[in-house]
Amino acid sequence: AQTVTQSQPEMSVQEAETVTLSCTYDTSESDYYLFWYKQPPSRQMILVIRQEAYKQQNATENRFSVNFQKAAKSFSLKISDSQLGDAAMYFCAYRIKYSGGGADGLTFGKGTHLIIQP
Amino acid sequence: DTAVSQTPKYLVTQMGNDKSIKCEQNLGHDTMYWYKQDSKKFLKIMFSYNNKELIINETVPNRFSPKSPDKAHLNLHINSLELGDSAVYFCASSQDRETEAFFGQGTRLTVV
Repeated sequence: AQTVTQSQPEMSVQEAETVTLSCTYDTSESDYYLFWYKQPPSRQMILVIRQEAYKQQNATENRFSVNFQKAAKSFSLKISDSQLGDAAMYFCAYRIKYSGGGADGLTFGKGTHLIIQP
Repeated sequence: DTAVSQTPKYLVTQMGNDKSIKCEQNLGHDTMYWYKQDSKKFLKIMFSYNNKELIINETVPNRFSPKSPDKAHLNLHINSLELGDSAVYFCASSQDRETEAFFGQGTRLTVV
């Protein structure tokens, strides 16, 4: 079974600084997808960024970028120029490339609570 | 304009009752899901539903049953509610089984 580990239950960063959230995963598959989701106090789950395992280039979305190390099974999220609105729970998630039948859906890590200090 | 909507947002009910949570998506997606988020914020897949094929997470009690009247709707029925069912339940949808999932705003269920 696939597992996703987020080793930092909580992180704190000063506004305008850069922070990196770590995520590792365990899988025997070679083709899969990785995601970071943000959950602010409103409870809404918001997709931050998506990475396809067969793409070596790291995904980037504005101030958010990932460091994807496939051999190490590592998928960290870097937030540059942190803003107060970035304060939220951040979840790393894994999804197998669907091949018909069996397991489906996202496997989530336990989340990292990100605090932004003004 | 809401892409994935759930009703109700909050639900408080007594043990033993039967309740339903409704979910609708207007994204034209083929696959819908139900996830459960426990008190420690851990999210776990309960069901996925694609083209009338239902895949059930083996840990989900059979008191939980999804019902899909059409491709845009996937409702969650829960029978004989227990205290341990208290959680936030999220509906989600995706274009297919490989793309990202879009989530509803969640339903906080409290069983007393």
